[in-house]
Amino acid sequence: EAQLVESGGGLVQPGGSLRLSCAASGFTFRSYWMHWVRQVPGKGLVWVSRIHSDGSSTTYADSVKGRFTISRDNAKNTLYLQMNSLRAEDTAVYYCARVGGMVPTSYFDYWGRGTLVTVSS
Amino acid sequence: SYVLTQPPSVSVAPGQTARISCGGNNIGDKSVHWYQQRPGQAPVVVVHDDSDRPSGIPERFSGSNSGNTATLTISRVEAGDEADYFCQVWDSSSDHLVVFGGGTKLTVL
Repeated sequence: EAQLVESGGGLVQPGGSLRLSCAASGFTFRSYWMHWVRQVPGKGLVWVSRIHSDGSSTTYADSVKGRFTISRDNAKNTLYLQMNSLRAEDTAVYYCARVGGMVPTSYFDYWGRGTLVTVSS
Repeated sequence: SYVLTQPPSVSVAPGQTARISCGGNNIGDKSVHWYQQRPGQAPVVVVHDDSDRPSGIPERFSGSNSGNTATLTISRVEAGDEADYFCQVWDSSSDHLVVFGGGTKLTVL
């Protein structure tokens, strides 16, 4: 069965950087669009970014555009999120998620358990 | 940007039917997906494309979508259904390509 495991979260000061990773297993990683979604504890889900199966196309929410970079290494079955110029409002649990099926605008069929990012001085 | 509106909470007694709404402008023209999130866990899709159920999801979970409202219906509610539920659509005109509703906390009395 497909599995996604995030890592790399932690405490960082405002203005700092962090790189999240999402290790994929149990499926052909290179065949799927992948996304990052975040959630402030106790609050709702907010979409952050997506990347094409071959890495050729990326999209970002306006709130992170120019600060975050999504990437992937299909040889290592790993998704990344490089987060720079972090702000207090970026504090959240970050989930990686897979879009199921062949349609890039389908639903998220697998999610990781998330990694907590805390931006605070 | 496109906005999805859900009631913050819904309460229902065991064995009864819970209905969770998701309102959006002409949401009936979009495909709506529903996720269940138990405390401390990742979301799990329970209904996709308005009314389709993934394998492993009980038939008690169903969905509908028309006009300006999509609805997740949970029949014969069980204690284990207590969770947060989020609706989701895609909206290419939004600054958020993927839009989630604010979530509804289902409480089983």
